[in-house]
Amino acid sequence: QVQLAESGGGLVKPGGSLRLACAASGFSFRDSFMTWVRQAPGKGLQWVSYISDTSVYTHYAPSVKGRFTISRDNARSSLYLLMNNLRVEDTGVYYCAKGGRSASDSWGQGTLVIVSS
Amino acid sequence: DIVMTQFPDSLAVSLGERATINCKSSQNLVYISNNKNYLAWYQQKPGQPPKLLIQWASAREVGVPDRFSGSGSGTDFTLTITNLQAEDVAVYYCQQYYTTPCTFGQGTKLEIK
Repeated sequence: QVQLAESGGGLVKPGGSLRLACAASGFSFRDSFMTWVRQAPGKGLQWVSYISDTSVYTHYAPSVKGRFTISRDNARSSLYLLMNNLRVEDTGVYYCAKGGRSASDSWGQGTLVIVSS
Repeated sequence: DIVMTQFPDSLAVSLGERATINCKSSQNLVYISNNKNYLAWYQQKPGQPPKLLIQWASAREVGVPDRFSGSGSGTDFTLTITNLQAEDVAVYYCQQYYTTPCTFGQGTKLEIK
């Protein structure tokens, strides 16, 4: 059974940084592309980034490129999202999901990031 | 970026009836090399993460009731829910994964009439 558990969310001031983590289990993490998707309060889904199985390929939404960095540790079955220079509009629930250049077939419960002064 | 537009934004359907949600892409989502449509449908219930219903425009995920079906090709796609049940109340999203950024539609809120 696929399980994805995000952590690391919280309250941060504009311009600050956070590092999100996603612990994966129940599938071959090292063979899977992984994705981050976010959802602002009361709004729709926004794709943020994905990373290939060996970390060779990473892609970002234009709104986060240059500020966010996706990474992974296959030995630990963990996915990360380092978020720098955070803005108020980055507020929302961040989901990690299994899949990259494909549909996302499993999702975590999400972690809430609030950017506010 | 590819823009995904869903319509309607919301709809109310009676129990047992059919719900139809449309999704239009600003670009063709078919890859010539494999003739596949890079389009997925998700269901999101309040307080829950999204759930994948359909990928490749029409391939239903294991465990998804056959009341849910996807159709369409190129730039125009449809999610159809027949025999609507109370548990189908949710927001439905389409997503293209043809190219990055892998954009979502704005969502369609489905309610019971």
